[in-house]
Amino acid sequence: EDQVTQSPEALRLQEGESSSLNCSYTVSGLRGLFWYRQDPGKGPEFLFTLYSAGEEKEKERLKATLTKKESFLHITAPKPEDSATYLCAVPTNTDKLIFGTGTRLQVFP
Amino acid sequence: NAGVTQTPKFRVLKTGQSMTLLCAQDMNHEYMYWYRQDPGMGLRLIHYSVGEGTTAKGEVPDGYNVSRLKKQNFLLGLESAAPSQTSVYFCASSPRFGAEQYFGPGTRLTVT
Repeated sequence: EDQVTQSPEALRLQEGESSSLNCSYTVSGLRGLFWYRQDPGKGPEFLFTLYSAGEEKEKERLKATLTKKESFLHITAPKPEDSATYLCAVPTNTDKLIFGTGTRLQVFP
Repeated sequence: NAGVTQTPKFRVLKTGQSMTLLCAQDMNHEYMYWYRQDPGMGLRLIHYSVGEGTTAKGEVPDGYNVSRLKKQNFLLGLESAAPSQTSVYFCASSPRFGAEQYFGPGTRLTVT
């Protein structure tokens, strides 16, 4: 069964304290993995697409990496404005996205 | 470009009432989707469309209907609202099979 699991459910960081979020997946034939950011009361905002193991993408303080079984979203020296819920998703072979339940990140000054 | 827009932003219904949520996108995307998001359950697919005039069931389609009469619009209907349909509804669109999806701002629906 296709499945996406994210950990931890919640993460509290001090400003400047780097950390990583995990997204593990089981899907038949990976055709990509997507990371989204969701702020309270808003829709998910697309961040990255990763297509193959070893691939990396960066945007400001965020870097996403992909292995054959999981993806990591590394946050370097986070700021309070990075506080949000981060979602990952993978497409199935029937063109649907399966989403994880997200990691709620809080960064304190 | 406005991207994906949704109307209304908020709505309160009484049990048994009906309503339609409207989603519009200006990116000329073929694929459109309706999701609901509930605490602890993540995003769940209700219905989707792979092109104008087509619709298909997702993970949780019961109690909902959809229509895609124009490429840019995707309507979600609730014929007889139930308290279990209290949720936040998101519309999304995608340019091609298996590609990233772009989301609207959401509609918060409460059914009393």
